[in-house]
Amino acid sequence: EIVLTQSPGTLSLSPGERATLSCRASQTVNNNYLAWYQKKPGQAPRLVIFGASSRATGIPDRFSGGGSGTDFTLTINRLEPEDFAVYYCQQYGPRWTFGQGTEVEIK
Amino acid sequence: QVQLVDSGGGLVKPGGSLRLSCAASGFSFSDYYMGWVRQAPGKGLEWVSYIGQSGNAIYSADSEGRFTISRDNAENSLYLQMNSLRPEDTAVYYCGRWNGGYDYWGQGTLVTVSS
Repeated sequence: EIVLTQSPGTLSLSPGERATLSCRASQTVNNNYLAWYQKKPGQAPRLVIFGASSRATGIPDRFSGGGSGTDFTLTINRLEPEDFAVYYCQQYGPRWTFGQGTEVEIK
Repeated sequence: QVQLVDSGGGLVKPGGSLRLSCAASGFSFSDYYMGWVRQAPGKGLEWVSYIGQSGNAIYSADSEGRFTISRDNAENSLYLQMNSLRPEDTAVYYCGRWNGGYDYWGQGTLVTVSS
């Protein structure tokens, strides 16, 4: 099973700043089968990025994903108030797993 | 529009069973992989299982042997039969449509395993 480790655990930033989230895999994620989700309390998760770098439908272009192999990043430029949430990466290789999450909180 | 409605959660004793359902509408259900993800109180997301269009299924190590995912393409429904439930299975369970990522989700149904 591929273990995903997200860092940092918490990111304290102000609106307008840039957020850079990391997701490191214990083994190579083949075909860049990596997704990112946004999760807010009491709501279902929302798909942000799939295939490591493709934005999901309706996701603004301030969100971007990158990386390959074992190291992936989610970047959020010019944070908006609605972007403060917990973000999870997920790999969808042979047996799927999620990372433990990074909380982006208002500083 | 695409809609997924989760149901079937509730309170169950350790060792008991529960069957979750997910009613799908607004898309061609039989064309998509579907799956279940859960979130325990205060914890992160945890992938549980997925099922392909023709019924091929994969499970997490924790759910394999206890949970069974199934689908009825004629009824546009997804199911999760959960047996031998443990207190650590307590979570909100979400069904999701797979489209390179889970692009649509149900609202979640709460399963509580407690004596």
